[in-house]
Amino acid sequence: GQQVMQIPQYQHVQEGEDFTTYCNSSTTLSNIQWYKQRPGGHPVFLIQLVKSGEVKKQKRLTFQFGEAKKNSSLHITATQTTDVGTYFCAGKGFKTIFGAGTRLFVKA
Amino acid sequence: NAGVTQTPKFQVLKTGQSMTLQCAQDMNHEYMSWYRQDPGMGLRLIHYSVGAGITDQGEVPNGYNVSRSTTEDFPLRLLSAAPSQTSVYFCASSYSRQGKNYGYTFGSGTRLTVV
Repeated sequence: GQQVMQIPQYQHVQEGEDFTTYCNSSTTLSNIQWYKQRPGGHPVFLIQLVKSGEVKKQKRLTFQFGEAKKNSSLHITATQTTDVGTYFCAGKGFKTIFGAGTRLFVKA
Repeated sequence: NAGVTQTPKFQVLKTGQSMTLQCAQDMNHEYMSWYRQDPGMGLRLIHYSVGAGITDQGEVPNGYNVSRSTTEDFPLRLLSAAPSQTSVYFCASSYSRQGKNYGYTFGSGTRLTVV
């Protein structure tokens, strides 16, 4: 069945450093979604990518969808303490399957 | 709009007991799903529904039942609770318009402990 792998599992950064999380699917995806979950909270939808090779930006966050529509990445420039949490990708094939997430720790 | 409402927020069950986790949304979303979240394992899909009267199994359906008699409600039933079902459960809903899918709106979760 469809599997979505996400790396790294966690990352510690100093405030101001950049951060990237990667998402890979075993199958071609119709689209990919990214979510953020703050500690103790629920996942919150960030963005959806649909087109092959698509790149979208939200302030310091840059999202990319691979040419083959099987991988994606989220890059945060100059992290801030407000960025802490777990970032999930979700592959929307027939079912929406989530990766295990990357937990981001930011040290001030 | 209240969004996605889950009840209860916390629950402790004894092994073998049954219970229903409630989920309701007031956004007229056709898609609804149940996920469980365990440490280090992300969100795993239990059951999902693409509309009233239509449900299907996700990645980890064993021990759970669902029904979707209305667009608004999507209850999750634990048939005979086991300690392995200790987890945080999230209900989520989404929709599509003119062939475009939109992101999930999640409820605040139910933290379930089975002893």
